[in-house]
Amino acid sequence: AQSVTQLGSHVSVSEGALVLLRCNYSSSVPPYLFWYVQYPNQGLQLLLKYTSAATLVKGINGFEAEFKKSETSFHLTKPSAHMSDAAEYFCAVRGDNAGNMLTFGGGTRLMVKP
Amino acid sequence: EPEVTQTPSHQVTQMGQEVILRCVPISNHLYFYWYRQILGQKVEFLVSFYNNEISEKSEIFDDQFSVERPDGSNFTLKIRSTKLEDSAMYFCASSGEFGYTFGSGTRLTVV
Repeated sequence: AQSVTQLGSHVSVSEGALVLLRCNYSSSVPPYLFWYVQYPNQGLQLLLKYTSAATLVKGINGFEAEFKKSETSFHLTKPSAHMSDAAEYFCAVRGDNAGNMLTFGGGTRLMVKP
Repeated sequence: EPEVTQTPSHQVTQMGQEVILRCVPISNHLYFYWYRQILGQKVEFLVSFYNNEISEKSEIFDDQFSVERPDGSNFTLKIRSTKLEDSAMYFCASSGEFGYTFGSGTRLTVV
């Protein structure tokens, strides 16, 4: 079965500081990995996805993530946080299932201090 | 850019009533899904639908739930005899060659 663990349910950074949101996964087959962002009372917006091409994936709003098979990780980073980045971030994996479903991590709430 | 459309955006229903949540997936996608998110919790998979039948479902998706693709465009989730604990945001999604797209959700409140 596939699973996702996001370390840190809350992360707080200062505006302009590095953002690092951690995601570790398990999957018995090469996974597809996703990061979604959810703003308050809104839906899920895709930030970026890994689909077995380049291991460093660039997404929207200056975010990127690196797939590291040896560490089973797919951490999300952004060099300089902006106040508008404050939101909930979800990592998800699509791996070993016939139904094509995504399994989500518990989410990380990012807070950005001025 | 193509979107997944969900209606209504918010529905309030009395406990024990039936509700139908509606979705219009992206037209050339083949897989359709329902997920739910209880307030403050993570997004949970309910069911996936492919080739006009359920391809996978979670333990949450019991006999209270059903899905249907009544025509070529709509995809519905029916919840029979709603319970207070069914209150959640319900997301529809569809997937094709280039990945997943989620709708903006229906917030269901059972009172």
